[in-house]
This record gives sequence, C-alpha cells and structure tokens, in this order.
Amino acid sequence: GAGVSQSPRYKVAKRGQDVALRCDPISGHVSLFWYQQALGQGPEFLTYFQNEAQLDKSGLPSDRFFAERPEGSVSTLKIQRTQQEDSAVYLCASSLAAVRGTQYFGPGTRLLVL
Amino acid sequence: GQQLNQSPQSMFIQEGEDVSMNCTSSSIFNTWLWYKQDPGEGPVLLIALYKAGELTSNGRLTAQFGITRKDSFLNISASIPSDVGIYFCAGQAVETSGSRLTFGEGTQLTVNP
Repeated sequence: GAGVSQSPRYKVAKRGQDVALRCDPISGHVSLFWYQQALGQGPEFLTYFQNEAQLDKSGLPSDRFFAERPEGSVSTLKIQRTQQEDSAVYLCASSLAAVRGTQYFGPGTRLLVL
Repeated sequence: GQQLNQSPQSMFIQEGEDVSMNCTSSSIFNTWLWYKQDPGEGPVLLIALYKAGELTSNGRLTAQFGITRKDSFLNISASIPSDVGIYFCAGQAVETSGSRLTFGEGTQLTVNP
C-alpha cells in the first residue's frame, strides 16, 4: 500500500487480557517507531527499530509491553495483562532514514481496556 | 526527559484570519517538525525544519526554526474551514534522545466559516 497501515483500528479488551497490535510500514522503510497517544495529548515515544534490530525501547512503560519486527518489515506491539491505564491510541510510524527522515504515521489503533 | 511547551492550547478564529502557534523547549533540538492530526487519523507532516534560523513555507503555512534551536513557530495565513484540526510540533535531538520525536501537547484549531 501507499502508506503505513495498522490493524486492528479499534480494540476493546477486558482488563488482564493480552493484545497484539500490528503495523505494516511503507515498503523499503528501514526505521519503524511506536508511539502511545493518550486522549488530549501528543504522541509519546515507546520504541524504535532499525530493520529487525530494536535500537531503543526506553519508552516502553513496563515489562508488560513488548515489540518485535522479526523480518525487518511488519512489526507487532504486544501488551500483556492489559490495565485500564493502557487505554490509548497506539501509533506506528516509519521512515526511510532514522535521522532527518520524515516519519510517516499510520492511522493508529485505538485500544480501550475495560 | 525533554518536554515541548506548545501554545496556545486552542484557538477559535474566523475564516480568512491568520493564525500563529509556537513551541518552546528547555533543551536543544536539531530538527523541528509540524504535524496536523484529524480525528481518528495519524499525524500528517506539514513542514520539516533542519537548520537554526530556517524559514520554510508550504502553501499558506510558514514555519521557522528558532535561532537558539529551542523554539519554533507555525503561521497559517488566510485560514479556511479545512484547516480545522490539532496541530503538533515535534522535535528530534539525535545526540541526546536518538531518533525519537518529542511532541508538544497540540493546538486545537477551530475555524468558523
């Protein structure tokens, strides 16, 4: 496709459930980023991949959050034992270059934990 | 961590008016970006700035990278109804924070026809 795609677009989970959010970056983009956006706030960095290597995971809020990009293309953000405070929009972005590379964002996955 | 202070939080203007919003930081960024986000969508890049003092235009939008590298502003001239949305500034400081973007809290723009 032409842009970054994410699925599902909406996810409702019961507290304690595990969820998996998928990101398909723009073809050929080596850098992939995950951000979390709470209601009424700007996106906040979670983690960053260059190809399949996770170079920065310092933004992940707890060890319940895990991200992978095994073949350097599609990425999955997994949240284990979801909590209500995990409710947010999860945005994925990709770029051709890590530095000075325009980050193109997907539409996001809106997660609601009940 | 780094924080960006974006103002104003919201603006209500009449169609045809000019708009100005800005971001300031206590630390230096070497790239400043301005994004627009519509409801239910991801942020879309409007303007990217890579050099202190740089002034860049994109149609009715003009943005500047502050000379101190700690601030940036975005101007929208002759606003139209489709300018409605949330505008975010974002900075990148590779030496201290790697490739991540740090975002401001956004400016909600409402344009009355």
